[in-house]
Amino acid sequence: GAVVSQHPSWVICKSGTSVKIECRSLDFQATTMFWYRQFPKQSLMLMATSNEGSKATYEQGVEKDKFLINHASLTLSTLTVTSAHPEDSSFYICSAKTGEETQYFGPGTRLLVL
Amino acid sequence: EDQVTQSPEALRLQEGESSSLNCSYTVSGLRGLFWYRQDPGKGPEFLFTLYSAGEEKEKERLKATLTKKESFLHITAPKPEDSATYLCAVQFQGAQKLVFGQGTRLTINP
Repeated sequence: GAVVSQHPSWVICKSGTSVKIECRSLDFQATTMFWYRQFPKQSLMLMATSNEGSKATYEQGVEKDKFLINHASLTLSTLTVTSAHPEDSSFYICSAKTGEETQYFGPGTRLLVL
Repeated sequence: EDQVTQSPEALRLQEGESSSLNCSYTVSGLRGLFWYRQDPGKGPEFLFTLYSAGEEKEKERLKATLTKKESFLHITAPKPEDSATYLCAVQFQGAQKLVFGQGTRLTINP
């Protein structure tokens, strides 16, 4: 149980385009989902927290207009990187949790912006 | 400031050589401490949740313990497939988010 999926697993896009990443909880309803970014050989950096039906809460320094988060249902959250630039290239990981405290992570999406 | 520090940064062991990874934290109020395993290019895989000092959890060759200021992940007779980065994360009172340590890169040589 507690499986989280992400789609796509990797994506390459041109600078200036937008990219959408989906995060789904497959066998449980996620009241809260989180989006992280991870650079090579570094730990996870929280970008935002989203509760179903509410606006996401962004961490300090994360541009909310650039990283659009939608949590429209209890099993789906999306992260859209708008007008992507090479510096946005990274490994993006989502996590989800129910009423329990444990966060379960997706497999990650590798984004490369050319 | 709430902080989570893991040590060592990297650890190389021979197969069968037991050891421990450390996670120390300075949190005003602990709600939970979590251990994850992360393989290269993948998302973290959940291992354990600990909530109170004195608590212990075990899974195969891994055992996690918790005190008021730190947690240990003990690895007994490790195998090469135990090689991974082990992440510790803390959730503090009144918050939903996790504060992650920098991780320990564990390599088990056959």
